[in-house]
Amino acid sequence: DIQMTQSPSTLSASVGDRVTITCRASQSISNWLAWYQQKPGKAPKLLIYKASSLESGVPSRFSGSGSGTEFTLTISSLQPDDFETYYCQQYNSYPLTFGGGTKVEIK
Amino acid sequence: QVQLQESGPGLVKPSQTLSLTCTVSGGSISSGDYYWSWIRQPPGKGLEWIGSINSIGSTYYNPSLKSRPTISVDTSKIQFSLKLISVTAADTAVYYCARSYCTGGSCYSGVMGYWGQGTLVTVSS
Repeated sequence: DIQMTQSPSTLSASVGDRVTITCRASQSISNWLAWYQQKPGKAPKLLIYKASSLESGVPSRFSGSGSGTEFTLTISSLQPDDFETYYCQQYNSYPLTFGGGTKVEIK
Repeated sequence: QVQLQESGPGLVKPSQTLSLTCTVSGGSISSGDYYWSWIRQPPGKGLEWIGSINSIGSTYYNPSLKSRPTISVDTSKIQFSLKLISVTAADTAVYYCARSYCTGGSCYSGVMGYWGQGTLVTVSS
């Protein structure tokens, strides 16, 4: 199985900050990586697929980059609606695996 | 717009079988390159992929669940289902159904583009 490791697990930031979340794969997954945002009590929402492609309707302040084993999700200017939990997920091979999540909280 | 809705018992006894159904509206379940998946999330924890089925009935499961899950599609009812046998308290979780993501003529079988709202299943006697 491909292990996905996210860091940090918790991130404290303020509105307007630029934040970066890192996701590392235990082996190369090319660019077969997705990012999701999850609000409490809600299903995850797709933000980014193929490592850097923005899902339709997702604000442009979200961006993804990386390939191989190291990936990042960047929020260029944190908005109040962004203080949620974020997950990466690889779809290079089965079983599909998720990172442990990063909670972005208000500083 | 595709919508998914999970349904099933909220309480299951240990050693019994967990059975959930996902009803799909706003799209066909039998056509296209879609993959239909189940994902779960124990309370306060992260996401775990359970398995997927495609439009021709091929299935893929998480080996960590040790052959306990079965996913099937009922095209006449526009539903797909999950059965998980021999449940224990460790199977207590919110269970989500999801559909793969397609855009611009490309489909990504492992990307969850559409999700149900989730249903909490508690395993307890």
